[in-house]
Amino acid sequence: NAGVMQNPRHLVRRRGQEARLRCSPMKGHSHVYWYRQLPEEGLKFMVYLQKENIIDESGMPKERFSAEFPKEGPSILRIQQVVRGDSAAYFCASSPAPDFGNIQYFGAGTRLSVL
Amino acid sequence: GQQLNQSPQSMFIQEGEDVSMNCTSSSIFNTWLWYKQDPGEGPVLLIALYKAGELTSNGRLTAQFGITRKDSFLNISASIPSDVGIYFCVGGGADGLTFGKGTHLIIQP
Repeated sequence: NAGVMQNPRHLVRRRGQEARLRCSPMKGHSHVYWYRQLPEEGLKFMVYLQKENIIDESGMPKERFSAEFPKEGPSILRIQQVVRGDSAAYFCASSPAPDFGNIQYFGAGTRLSVL
Repeated sequence: GQQLNQSPQSMFIQEGEDVSMNCTSSSIFNTWLWYKQDPGEGPVLLIALYKAGELTSNGRLTAQFGITRKDSFLNISASIPSDVGIYFCVGGGADGLTFGKGTHLIIQP
């Protein structure tokens, strides 16, 4: 997972607050993916973005969750009005190629705890 | 959606033993990937498989892409303490990556 940088590593929020998770892809990668992992589970796909475009958001909850990948700067996963069920580890991955089903390189994750 | 059945869910083995885990699915995948996740970290790619029947090694690790494209296995020979972690099989296709639930590998010295 060298090169994919996520911050913060740990984030604590109270119910109703907003959570912003940041991801800088590996150098040269323009494709970013966000996943959520619950304890004892595999990673579940949320959203796939290229620079300034959302390609696939089929795994993203319809409300309170949004993602962006601006022309400049990191990708942001935003969770508004967090609830306890949002507590999870959120991972970002990046790839150099537009092949959705190919190798992705993962960051170390952001662990969100909602009190 | 696509689902992967990964087994076993956990393994308790002695150091030096060989390990075998596998994944099956009712869906066909174009790629099979095996990742390892250490506590508090993200998944790290171990082996990537691209063709049905392909057998690939990476040091003590060997993985195969099933001929039907619906399954894969991973073997670890002569396990060592740093092999401890969660191993995920991952199927890749037009819908992106689908993760298995993982195999927890615990090694007793």
